[in-house]
Amino acid sequence: AQSVTQLDSHVSVSEGTPVLLRCNYSSSYSPSLFWYVQHPNKGLQLLLKYTSAATLVKGINGFEAEFKKSETSFHLTKPSAHMSDAAEYFCVVSDSGGYQKVTFGIGTKLQVIP
Amino acid sequence: NAGVTQTPKFRVLKTGQSMTLLCAQDMNHEYMYWYRQDPGMGLRLIHYSVGEGTTAKGEVPDGYNVSRLKKQNFLLGLESAAPSQTSVYFCASSYGTNSYEQYFGPGTRLTVT
Repeated sequence: AQSVTQLDSHVSVSEGTPVLLRCNYSSSYSPSLFWYVQHPNKGLQLLLKYTSAATLVKGINGFEAEFKKSETSFHLTKPSAHMSDAAEYFCVVSDSGGYQKVTFGIGTKLQVIP
Repeated sequence: NAGVTQTPKFRVLKTGQSMTLLCAQDMNHEYMYWYRQDPGMGLRLIHYSVGEGTTAKGEVPDGYNVSRLKKQNFLLGLESAAPSQTSVYFCASSYGTNSYEQYFGPGTRLTVT
């Protein structure tokens, strides 16, 4: 069985300060992990994904995430927040156990304060 | 290249009415999905399809039916709408399974009164 936990439902940062959105996962197999972003009244867009290659993954708009197997974590970071980063972020785990199944976290709403 | 499109964008139904949501993709993807998004619950999979003519149940299939008669289209039906089906519905598609990115449509906001 697989699961994903986003540790914060809301995160608030000042513009220009670092962003950290936390995600822990559980998987019986070698997982694929994703971060998606959803801007208000929009669909989800892929930020980045991990699929068993490099553990540090770089995505769009300056975001990156590090896969840490020992900690079962896949935290999303960005060195300097921009106003346009205000959105909801979803951590997603997909099992490699034989059939298509993805599990979404409940989301973290990022607020950027000017 | 429009990606994934959904029709309609908004809909209000009365309890007991029926409707069909249409999803179309122009990326020649094999896999298509229907999700619902509710506050505090993330996205939950309703039904999915691994190819033309196939469908399978997801996490929350009750009250919904789907069809995939053409590879590019995935229809979600509500036979008798209930207030509990008030939600935002997202369609997605992907080239393959597991490690492949899903591409999402813009969503349909459905209210059942």
